[in-house]
Amino acid sequence: GESVGLHLPTLSVQEGDNSIINCAYSNSASDYFIWYKQESGKGPQFIIDIRSNMDKRQGQRVTVLLNKTVKHLSLQIAATQPGDSAVYFCAETRETSGSRLTFGEGTQLTVNP
Amino acid sequence: SAVISQKPSRDICQRGTSLTIQCQVDSQVTMMFWYRQQPGQSLTLIATANQGSEATYESGFVIDKFPISRPNLTFSTLTVSNMSPEDSSIYLCSVEGIAGETQYFGPGTRLLVL
Repeated sequence: GESVGLHLPTLSVQEGDNSIINCAYSNSASDYFIWYKQESGKGPQFIIDIRSNMDKRQGQRVTVLLNKTVKHLSLQIAATQPGDSAVYFCAETRETSGSRLTFGEGTQLTVNP
Repeated sequence: SAVISQKPSRDICQRGTSLTIQCQVDSQVTMMFWYRQQPGQSLTLIATANQGSEATYESGFVIDKFPISRPNLTFSTLTVSNMSPEDSSIYLCSVEGIAGETQYFGPGTRLLVL
């Protein structure tokens, strides 16, 4: 069946380093992807999105890369800070899905001071 | 993005009882959704809350267990009926942004069923 999954369930980095969180998806019809950050006790917070007609998009300290050939998505966080510690989810949708999102499993990012 | 609130923020309930969760948005939105997040897991879509008509449920979720109301474009409720410990989860509502597709989430309702 369709799935959106993550390669690593946990990631630990040193403060100031760059973080890379990966996500694989299986549906080649997926055309819109979102990264969310969920801090403990809170709802998911939108970070950045990308459409399938793009392969890279940058925000403030974050970059999303999309490789449609291998159905792979990554989130890069530059100069990781302790406040970046959270669970990160990728999610996908497509035009025919009525805006319904399919979420990946999540990666717990821990930033060590 | 819209400001989304949920009530209650958390609750502890006895098995066999029902709990109604409210989701309020500070602006009119077309699409509202309800998700479940079991402990330590990802989000699973329960249903799309349709204004003026019955909700659209995902596979594995039924109206008798999770009745949903959507009386207007700013409010929705999800009821978790006849609860069991397996219903212990975070329940989240989300809305679609003005530009479409991007969804924004409420803070969630943390439910523990004993």
